[in-house]
Amino acid sequence: GAGVSQSPSNKVTEKGKDVELRCDPISGHTALYWYRQRLGQGLEFLIYFQGNSAPDKSGLPSDRFSAERTGESVSTLTIQRTQQEDSAVYLCASSLVMAGNYGYTFGSGTRLTVV
Amino acid sequence: KQEVTQIPAALSVPEGENLVLNCSFTDSAIYNLQWFRQDPGKGLTSLLLIQSSQREQTSGRLNASLDKSSGRSTLYIAASQPGDSATYLCAVSSNDYKLSFGAGTTVTVRA
Repeated sequence: GAGVSQSPSNKVTEKGKDVELRCDPISGHTALYWYRQRLGQGLEFLIYFQGNSAPDKSGLPSDRFSAERTGESVSTLTIQRTQQEDSAVYLCASSLVMAGNYGYTFGSGTRLTVV
Repeated sequence: KQEVTQIPAALSVPEGENLVLNCSFTDSAIYNLQWFRQDPGKGLTSLLLIQSSQREQTSGRLNASLDKSSGRSTLYIAASQPGDSATYLCAVSSNDYKLSFGAGTTVTVRA
């Protein structure tokens, strides 16, 4: 597609349930990022994938969070045993080989509400 | 650790007035700086990307400057319109390619 696609756009889940969020990057973009934005706050880096290299997971807040990406395609962010503090908008971005030269394109996000 | 600060946090102006949004960052070793727009409940739209070797970028009514040595960028929006009302985010890409974001400036343009 022409842009970064995220699904679902909205997700309401009960506390303790697992959720899976999906990101389809722009075709050919080797780098993919996940960010979290809590209500009224700035964006927090979660995880970074670059081609087939080991991902940078340094931003994942706990071991309940994990993400996968196969090659340069779709990525999924999984949150296990969701907590109310996980409620946020989860944003995915992708870029060409070196983001320093090309910048980033963001998806419209998944709004997660844990009740 | 890169720290990005945006001032002011909120701004309200009458239609037609020029807007000046400020962004400062603590580590001058950056690859680029990007300005984004975020509308309520939506994702981010990229406005301007300034490479570390550049001093400014322009797109229509938008102009962004970069002074890497002093760790500052300014976004100018000329002749503001009600449709410019949004939150504007400044983000810096540092050596490790992560984006460090400011908290944003929320702009309201009054008709």
